[in-house]
Amino acid sequence: GAGVSQSPRYKVAKRGQDVALRCDPISGHVSLFWYQQALGQGPEFLTYFQNEAQLDKSGLPSDRFFAERPEGSVSTLKIQRTQQEDSAVYLCASSLDRGNQPQHFGDGTRLSIL
Amino acid sequence: SQQGEEDPQALSIQEGENATMNCSYKTSINNLQWYRQNSGRGLVHLILIRSNEREKHSGRLRVTLDTSKKSSSLLITASRAADTASYFCATDILKGGSEKLVFGKGTKLTVNP
Repeated sequence: GAGVSQSPRYKVAKRGQDVALRCDPISGHVSLFWYQQALGQGPEFLTYFQNEAQLDKSGLPSDRFFAERPEGSVSTLKIQRTQQEDSAVYLCASSLDRGNQPQHFGDGTRLSIL
Repeated sequence: SQQGEEDPQALSIQEGENATMNCSYKTSINNLQWYRQNSGRGLVHLILIRSNEREKHSGRLRVTLDTSKKSSSLLITASRAADTASYFCATDILKGGSEKLVFGKGTKLTVNP
């Protein structure tokens, strides 16, 4: 079946604009994660959903970042009033169930803020 | 902040040689996972080793875990040019029911044909 799908693959926005990044997890996967990856670094955790419930949002860097998964499937990460430091690759991952199982990653959205 | 630290940061070898990458972490864990990332792509899960396991094999991959030293190693035997990628270790956080993974900075492996 299809893997994790993220769109858009690339996004360029001007500083101050709002952006929305979409993640389609593998069908039936309960857990969904968002990560931020700076160039040359490992992914850093942003937030975690179990079905539609956002159980951990401790990694969101500011209140400009907001994520939702209203029906327990597709998720959207929204960044308001973007800043240059928001430029990074945003990765989405899903896993079948709870319990620290292997995560399946999408190819990410590369966000550039001018 | 990143819990894991991979060593070395970069590794260049010839096809057919073995590649060893190390990972150290700071807090108690349930399990440790290794992932591979090709340039411009997402991460691909390679292997998961639980805290009560010491060694695990999968094809040409061998992972060891030493919880007393809070360290793990990934060995790729008989490397191929297609193994060129960045490799990351990731640990879970043993608190609060969080399912998140904490990744290291990665080892960039180059396998020369």
